Amino acid sequence: QKEVEQDPGPLSVPEGAIVSLNCTYSNSAFQYFMWYRQYSRKGPELLMYTYSSGNKEDGRFTAQVDKSSKYISLFIRDSQPSDSATYLCAMSGTGGFKTIFGAGTRLFVKA
Amino acid sequence: IAGITQAPTSQILAAGRRMTLRCTQDMRHNAMYWYRQDLGLGLRLIHYSNTAGTTGKGEVPDGYSVSRANTDDFPLTLASAVPSQTSVYFCASISPREGHLYEQFFGPGTRLTVL
Repeated sequence: QKEVEQDPGPLSVPEGAIVSLNCTYSNSAFQYFMWYRQYSRKGPELLMYTYSSGNKEDGRFTAQVDKSSKYISLFIRDSQPSDSATYLCAMSGTGGFKTIFGAGTRLFVKA
Repeated sequence: IAGITQAPTSQILAAGRRMTLRCTQDMRHNAMYWYRQDLGLGLRLIHYSNTAGTTGKGEVPDGYSVSRANTDDFPLTLASAVPSQTSVYFCASISPREGHLYEQFFGPGTRLTVL
């Protein structure tokens, strides 16, 4: 079993839709939960991060962590064609640099 | 330059050939990583360096070697390329963000095809 599981998609939605992206994990030592966004033929960039459980909102993006279920989510409200990208969840503990990435979910937002 | 640069952007390589992928950063980050990204498998760590002069093996190190002579450069070498090394390779540097959270800054990637 992988430490982090993420549905690769692709996920196709119309412009304006609410998008839900999810990951599950198995290592209870993870404390930091991140979402990276990767546009086509580019490197990933950090989009959002949360520490431990709870929600964090940044504009149209909301990150949720449920440590009891080992489940994290990224919600995108009022999705735009410019949101079309691959979204990778990532997790790390408190012991150093090591970060585990999910496989990434490809999202297409149709105008 | 700003951030991380990688060269070449893409390469087609005959099996058995030696190839070095270059990575340079100008952010003075101590730690740098090499990943390969394959469809359905995500980012897998090949080798890492926590500081100049030190290197370590990641999840998939076989067939690859690295060196870290200075802070800015972190080349990845394929000694004798095989088709299974066809992938997109990303170099990243790591910087502390908050508490024990480290942000990774990725280069634009090198698309390598081994025939």
